[in-house]
Amino acid sequence: EVQLVESGGVLVQPGGSLRLSCAASGFTFTTYWMTWLRQAPGKGLEWVAYINQYGSETEYVDSVRGRFTISRDNARNSLYLQMNSLRAEDTAIYYCAGDPQPRIIGAWGQGTLVTVSS
Amino acid sequence: DVVMTQSPLSLPVTLGQPASISCRSSQSIVYSDGNIYLNWFQQRPGQSPRRLIYKISNRDSGVPDRFSGSGSGTDFTLKISRVEAEDVGVYYCMQGTHWPWTFGQGTAVEIK
Repeated sequence: EVQLVESGGVLVQPGGSLRLSCAASGFTFTTYWMTWLRQAPGKGLEWVAYINQYGSETEYVDSVRGRFTISRDNARNSLYLQMNSLRAEDTAIYYCAGDPQPRIIGAWGQGTLVTVSS
Repeated sequence: DVVMTQSPLSLPVTLGQPASISCRSSQSIVYSDGNIYLNWFQQRPGQSPRRLIYKISNRDSGVPDRFSGSGSGTDFTLKISRVEAEDVGVYYCMQGTHWPWTFGQGTAVEIK
């Protein structure tokens, strides 16, 4: 069974940094494109970033480009999101999601809550 | 960015009755490989989203056959043939053709 478990979400002050992790199990991690998405409280869904199976291709939504970095460690079956210069508007549940195909992402984690507030 | 517009945003339905959700893209979402990456997700209260349909009409494993997807061009539809209590939640369409991939605003399905 495909399992994705996010961790690292906490309360952080504006301007601060945070690293989210996603532990993958139940599938061959090296065959999956992986992504991060977020959902602000009571709001809709927004893609944040994706990374290909090898870590050689990444892309970001404009609102986080230059502040967030997606990465993966295939030896550890893990996905990461380094978040710098955090803003109040980054407050959201962050989901890790993946799929063997990049445009139909089908496997989702349960999410981790990031709150940016002073 | 491609804007995905769903309607209605709220859909009260009687148990056992059909339901239909429309999704329209602001531009063509045909990818260079010829596929249309239009997907549907269900988010039950307090849960993470779950994919129901991918590439317009392909139902995921384990998804009841009362769910079906259709459409072409820029207009797409998710239909539930007979709504059951477990179908309560928010439904999102999503395009995976142009980055950033984008979701519709969501349609909240509730039981009357």
